[in-house]
This record gives sequence, structure tokens and C-alpha cells, in this order.
Amino acid sequence: GAVVSQHPSRVICKSGTSVKIECRSLDFQATTMFWYRQFPKQSLMLMATSNEGSKATYEQGVEKDKFLINHASLTLSTLTVTSAHPEDSSFYICSAEALGQETQYFGPGTRLLVL
Amino acid sequence: SQQGEEDPQALSIQEGENATMNCSYKTSINNLQWYRQNSGRGLVHLILIRSNEREKHSGRLRVTLDTSKKSSSLLITASRAADTASYFCATVVRGSNYKLTFGKGTLLTVNP
Repeated sequence: GAVVSQHPSRVICKSGTSVKIECRSLDFQATTMFWYRQFPKQSLMLMATSNEGSKATYEQGVEKDKFLINHASLTLSTLTVTSAHPEDSSFYICSAEALGQETQYFGPGTRLLVL
Repeated sequence: SQQGEEDPQALSIQEGENATMNCSYKTSINNLQWYRQNSGRGLVHLILIRSNEREKHSGRLRVTLDTSKKSSSLLITASRAADTASYFCATVVRGSNYKLTFGKGTLLTVNP
């Protein structure tokens, strides 16, 4: 099956710093990648949809200047949490979708803790 | 906003028993998907059922879809301790460019 990786799996940072999370599709070309956030014991909330070579589309309430998304190639998307604060602490999960496919393949997630 | 609502929120059963989880949604969909998540991990895709399908099977999984009631159910037969996880339904709404909208999930615990 299709494999999506995320790096890092876990990160602890100080308040005010920026953190970059990578999402890679390892064995297929992902025309679209999605970024989700999941708080403890809650469901996944879609943050943004990114298409290769174009600007990401953010969901209502998600600050595009705080959560920078770059989808520079068909196998890599990055999410940068800028000037992170403790309330940004969460589990961030990406997914990738190949052109014409109905199924999204999810990465293993990145746990972010902002002190 | 949440499209899907799972029921029950938590379910505890004994190994060998069947587990049934339900999902309701609000708008017209292209398809509905079920995912599994082990604690602190990513999601694993289980099964996809399209809006024109009523039932689908995959191994010990059986999914039904009732578009008139806007509901779906996931049945896991002969459950195992390894089935312990959170299960989410997710819908792809018509015209949404394949965006998934997740429900709140059911935490299933299978006791050995």
C-alpha cells in the first residue's frame, strides 16, 4: 500500500520558535496533501489543503500566516508553525492523495509540545 | 464543523464478541470512509463505501450505508484484543474536492 512519512515524529520547542514538519509520500506522487490537527481525545480537524505548485487553501479559522504550508514537489509538503505558543501543542497529521484516487493515505503524525 | 457523529463514544467488549459502531452525517456525500487509529498514531484506512452502495465487506469488517437516514455502521466480527483502537468515520461531501470531514470517533476496547 501507499506509504506516507512524517518527520519529526515528536518535537519539543520553546514558545516563540518556529517548527517545520515534513510530510512525504514515499512510493507515489501526491497531487494533493492535507494537514490535520488533533487535540487529545478529539477528532481530526482539517487545517488546510495543499496542491503541488500552488498556494494552500486554509479552512476557516486557521491562520495562514501562522501555519505556513509549502508543497514544492509531488512527494513533499511542509507545515511550519511560526512563533509557536503552548496552545499550538497538538498532534499534527498529514495525508496524501494521488490524482484521481478517492483514498487519502495518512502519515504517522507529529506530536508538537510547545513549552 | 464536524460532519459525522459516531455512536457510541466508547465501547468495551470481550474478545470474540462483535462490535458495532454507528455514524451519522448531515449533508449529501460522495462516499463515506472508516478509519482506525491506535493511540498516538496515524490513521489506517479500513474501508470506503460510495453513496450508491449499501453494504461492503472486508475480512471481519462489514459496513452499511443508508443515505436516506444519512447513517453508516461499522461491524467488526469476532473481535480481538488487537482491534482495540479509535474508529472514525469520515465523509467526502459532494463538491468538496475530496476533503474528508471526520466524526468524533468511537473508542473501542476489546478485553482479552
